[in-house]
Amino acid sequence: AQKITQTQPGMFVQEKEAVTLDCTYDTSDQSYGLFWYKQPSSGEMIFLIYQGSYDEQNATEGRYSLNFQKARKSANLVISASQLGDSAMYFCASGSTLGRLYFGRGTQLTVWP
Amino acid sequence: DTEVTQTPKHLVMGMTNKKSLKCEQHMGHRAMYWYKQKAKKPPELMFVYSYEKLSINESVPSRFSPECPNSSLLNLHLHALQPEDSALYLCASNLHGGTEAFFGQGTRLTVV
Repeated sequence: AQKITQTQPGMFVQEKEAVTLDCTYDTSDQSYGLFWYKQPSSGEMIFLIYQGSYDEQNATEGRYSLNFQKARKSANLVISASQLGDSAMYFCASGSTLGRLYFGRGTQLTVWP
Repeated sequence: DTEVTQTPKHLVMGMTNKKSLKCEQHMGHRAMYWYKQKAKKPPELMFVYSYEKLSINESVPSRFSPECPNSSLLNLHLHALQPEDSALYLCASNLHGGTEAFFGQGTRLTVV
């Protein structure tokens, strides 16, 4: 089994600033994937970024980057130049080849002008 | 195209009704999932289909019945639901387990 821990129930950031959302994971699998999803109040779950356990480079997708520290079992999401539209719930998740996605409890991000 | 389409977007049903949720993807993904999400909680896995075969059932009550007619379609048949089954039901798909999963917009189900 895998466990994802997100210790920040809520985060606040000013527009145009960078913000880091924390995520730690616990798994006994050798091969796994780490994901971040954004869920606005509308409910859709939007895929943001993926990091494979064997990837040596940190993943980046536009304003999103994943700070992957394998030894510390952390996969923090960094959002640069925050925008008002970034306000949403953010979920960290891990997945194994068996198909299950394990989600953290989420972090509610609020971007203020 | 990374689209997973779910219908309907909203559904209100009585406890004696039978209804179905539909999910469709045309990305060639071979794994499809149903998740249930209550307000302010993370999604909870219900079912996994891999290559059109049910591979995981997370001890879901039999009033929820999944079906995968082909590699692009996933249905969730609902019968005799309870008010506590009211939730957002999310469908997802990926190439195979461990790769990035794409979600549909969800069906907001209310059982009255």
